[in-house]
Amino acid sequence: QLQLQESGPGLVKPSETLSLTCTVSGGSISNSSYYWGWIRQPPGKGLEWIGNIYYSGSTYYNPSLKSRVTISIDTSKNQFSLKLSSVTAADTAVYYCARPKRGLGDYVDYWGQGTLVTVSS
Amino acid sequence: QTVVTQEPSFSVSPGGTVTLTCGLSSGSVSTSYYPSWYQQTPGQAPRTLIYSTNTRSSGVPDRFSGSILGNKAALTITGAQADDESDYYCVLYMGSGVVVFGGGTKLTVL
Repeated sequence: QLQLQESGPGLVKPSETLSLTCTVSGGSISNSSYYWGWIRQPPGKGLEWIGNIYYSGSTYYNPSLKSRVTISIDTSKNQFSLKLSSVTAADTAVYYCARPKRGLGDYVDYWGQGTLVTVSS
Repeated sequence: QTVVTQEPSFSVSPGGTVTLTCGLSSGSVSTSYYPSWYQQTPGQAPRTLIYSTNTRSSGVPDRFSGSILGNKAALTITGAQADDESDYYCVLYMGSGVVVFGGGTKLTVL
């Protein structure tokens, strides 16, 4: 059974960079049928797609976040990571890592449990 | 900026049928947008219900169905149950690896 687990600091100061890692177990991150992605949800609000990465390193980002987002992948560790720079309180959210299936609209078939990141001084 | 629209809230009686919709601020939704639907209960990660318009994800009961109705994608729940009370999100594929979430619909079963 595939499992995705987010990890990283739960508190980040304004203007700093948010960094999260997703560790994949029960399957290979190099599987050519899938992307690996990040989705977030501010408290009490809806879901927002952040971006996806392919095992080759190709990335796809939400245009509204593109200037601040970097997603990277480490196939040797079966992990992928998110960096979001210049954070503000508006970036406070539960961050989910996920596995989108390539093709058919890149729908998500597996989700991590999510991790809350609070931006505050 | 493309906006994906959903009803903010909806209610259904137990045993009833409800159809939630997913539209575009400009234009019509077609199968080319590969609409997918996700269910989320408070404090939990989303659960994938439907992908590619009308394909149920593994383990999803057949009382959940997806379709295109007019110019929108639709999620129909037939025989609503108490534990269907959740938030429902649609996602549309915009091409070039970009997807957009709708704002979500809060479904109440009462």
